Amino acid sequence: QKEVEQDPGPLSVPEGAIVSLNCTYSNSAFQYFMWYRQYSRKGPELLMYTYSSGNKEDGRFTAQVDKSSKYISLFIRDSQPSDSATYLCAMSEEDYKLSFGAGTTVTVRA
Amino acid sequence: DVKVTQSSRYLVKRTGEKVFLECVQDMDHENMFWYRQDPGLGLRLIYFSYDVKMKEKGDIPEGYSVSREKKERFSLILESASTNQTSMYLCASSRGQGWVGSGDSNTQYFGPGTRLTVL
Repeated sequence: QKEVEQDPGPLSVPEGAIVSLNCTYSNSAFQYFMWYRQYSRKGPELLMYTYSSGNKEDGRFTAQVDKSSKYISLFIRDSQPSDSATYLCAMSEEDYKLSFGAGTTVTVRA
Repeated sequence: DVKVTQSSRYLVKRTGEKVFLECVQDMDHENMFWYRQDPGLGLRLIYFSYDVKMKEKGDIPEGYSVSREKKERFSLILESASTNQTSMYLCASSRGQGWVGSGDSNTQYFGPGTRLTVL
């Protein structure tokens, strides 16, 4: 069993819809949770960073962490064609090492 | 803005060749990383360096070595390339100094990647 599970999709939504992405994990020691966005033929870029449980909002993006369920989510409101990308979840204990999900490919149709 | 550059976007090599992948960051970051990314497997850490000449093995170091002679440059070496090393290779860097109270000091910034094909 992988340490971090993420549905690869693909996910296709119409412009303006809410995109919901999630990851589950098995390591209860994870405390730091991140979402990266990766456009085609580019390196991943950090979208959101959350420590421990709770919600964090940044513009159209909301990240949620439920440590009791070992479940994290990313919501994208009012999705745009420019949001079409692969979204990677990542998580970490106290140190530098990140464990990544496999990524979910999202297409927002104009 | 942090910039991480990689020497090649695309590379084709033959089995048994020695391959060098170069990575340079321009933000004086302490930490540098090499990952490979394969469909369905996510990013897997090959090696990590936290200072000049210092390195640690990641999850899949077999068949690879690294070199960090200068703070801004981190090289990945495939001693004898094999077909199962065909992959996307991503370099990343981070400021370091730990997470607590430090905001994004462990945020990893990625380069554009090198797609390596070994024939």
